[in-house]
Parts: sequence; structure tokens; C-alpha cells
Amino acid sequence: EVQLLESGGGLVQPGGSLRLSCAASGFTFSSYAMSWVRQAPGKGLEWVSIITNSGGSAYYADSVKGRFTISRDNSGSTLYLQMNSLRAEDTAVYYCAKHGDLGSYYFDYWGQGTLVTVSS
Amino acid sequence: QSALTQPRSVSGSPGQSVTISCTGTSSDVGGYNYVSWYQQHPGKAPKLMIYDVTKRPSGVPDRFSGSKSGNTASLTISGLQAEDEADYYCYSYAGRYRVFGGGTKLTVL
Repeated sequence: EVQLLESGGGLVQPGGSLRLSCAASGFTFSSYAMSWVRQAPGKGLEWVSIITNSGGSAYYADSVKGRFTISRDNSGSTLYLQMNSLRAEDTAVYYCAKHGDLGSYYFDYWGQGTLVTVSS
Repeated sequence: QSALTQPRSVSGSPGQSVTISCTGTSSDVGGYNYVSWYQQHPGKAPKLMIYDVTKRPSGVPDRFSGSKSGNTASLTISGLQAEDEADYYCYSYAGRYRVFGGGTKLTVL
């Protein structure tokens, strides 16, 4: 059974940093691209970043480019999101999501999310 | 990276059909056959309902179907059931970017 378990969320002051983790199990982690998707309170879904299965390429939404860094540890089956220079508008539930088969462009499994609150 | 355009809400009675539209541009929806749809119940993680415009994952009822014409994709739910009441989001590949729709709240009357 595929499982994705996010952790690392919490309350942080504007300008601060936070590192999210997503522990994956139930599938061959190194074979699939992974993404982070966020949802501000009461708002819609927003794609944040994607990393290829090897970790060789990563792409970001303009809203986080230069502040967030996605990475992965294939030996430990864990996805990360390093978030720096956090702003109030980064407040959201952050989901990690597994992509479908290689070369696919959809998410077939999602974690339950971790809440990040940026506030003084 | 503008969000895809969805109606904010749609509604229908049990047994009826509803269609949710998702309008983008030739750089996203119109340029690729990589539109997917997600159902989200309150407080829950999204669930994949349709991928690659028309394909249905195992376990998703065949009451759910997808289509696309030009820059607009659509999700049709036939034989509405109470448990279909949820938020629905479209999502499209757009080269280096990916983009979601703003979401549509489906109310089953």
C-alpha cells in the first residue's frame, strides 16, 4: 500500500525557514517523480514544485522560485522541501504527491498534508 | 502561470448529470493531453478521478468521464450521488510549469 507521510510543518515567523519531509513507502520511490502542492486556508490547490525520479531536475512555481528548494533521498525514500524567506502568503497545508508512471503528468497518491503557518 | 478557469460552483439533483469546465490556453490545456481531475472532500487529501483527459483510474466509478475541446477540458459526472458532493480541481501540464484550476464546489441538492 502506497503511503506518503508529511512532517515538519508548524508556526514560523516571517522571514524564517522550515524544512518539510515526506516519508514514502509501498512503492519504488526512486522510480517516480514527486511534487509538493499547497492549499492556503479556504483556498484552492497550488502546484509548488516537482523533482524528477533521479533528482536531476526540478521546477518551481514563480511564487516560490528562489526561496524554496525541493530535494529527495532515494536511498531513504524521502522527499524534502526547504522553505526560506517565508511570507504570510506561504501559509498553507503542504501535500506531497506521487506522480504516475514515468513520463506521466498526474498525481496518483497524496499524503495527508502538513500545516505551515507564517505569522509573527 | 495563471490558474485555469473553473466555475466556482455547480449543482444537481441525485441521478442527474453535471459538467464542470476547465479553461486554459494553448500553453497548457490546449497544448497537451495531460489534464487530470481531482476530488477533494472537506479536510481530506485530493483524490485522482481522471488523468490524461479521458482515462479513469482503477476504482473510480464509470459515472465520471473527461473530455477536451480546444483550450477547455470538462469533467462530467452522471447519475449524481450524495457522496459526489465535494470540491473538484482540474490540473494541466504546461511545460516547465504545472497549473491547477481554481476549483469547483459541487452541491448535490
